[in-house]
Amino acid sequence: AQSVTQPDIHITVSEGASLELRCNYSYGATPYLFWYVQSPGQGLQLLLKYFSGDTLVQGIKGFEAEFKRSQSSFNLRKPSVHWSDAAEYFCAVGSSGGYNKLIFGAGTRLAVHP
Amino acid sequence: DVKVTQSSRYLVKRTGEKVFLECVQDMDHENMFWYRQDPGLGLRLIYFSYDVKMKEKGDIPEGYSVSREKKERFSLILESASTNQTSMYLCASTLGGGYGYTFGSGTRLTVV
Repeated sequence: AQSVTQPDIHITVSEGASLELRCNYSYGATPYLFWYVQSPGQGLQLLLKYFSGDTLVQGIKGFEAEFKRSQSSFNLRKPSVHWSDAAEYFCAVGSSGGYNKLIFGAGTRLAVHP
Repeated sequence: DVKVTQSSRYLVKRTGEKVFLECVQDMDHENMFWYRQDPGLGLRLIYFSYDVKMKEKGDIPEGYSVSREKKERFSLILESASTNQTSMYLCASTLGGGYGYTFGSGTRLTVV
């Protein structure tokens, strides 16, 4: 069965520091992979997605993620974090068939210190 | 800008009430979903619909039902609200698997 693991529940970084949020997935074929961000009290916004091709994908707000098939990972990175990046981040995996369902990880809550 | 609109941001209901959560999308998407979000548990799928009048159970359908009479509207129904249904409810829609979801802003439901 498909599953997504985000090993870090909470992460705290200083403003201006680099960031990496981890995501591991379990899926039999090549998955569709997504990162979403949720600001407090809001819905989820799509940051970036991977279907195929170049394994390094660029997203909005300066984020990028790298698909590593050998490690079943899709880690999210940002070279310099801003205070406004404080939010909860969700990794998700989907399939090309079926009903287009996404399976979400439990989320990583990011705090940014000034 | 495309949108998924959830009719209420906050709701407070009493135990035993029948509760309707409404979701409307303006993107002509066929696929619509209802999730609930609880701390530490991420998003859990309640029901989804891939066409008008079609519905499928998700991972936690107990205590819920859905209605999709029109393509743009997908309603979640709590037949008899209970306190363990206090949660954030998120509606989403998609054109297809590779496009990802567009989410509504969520409805925070409190059952007292």
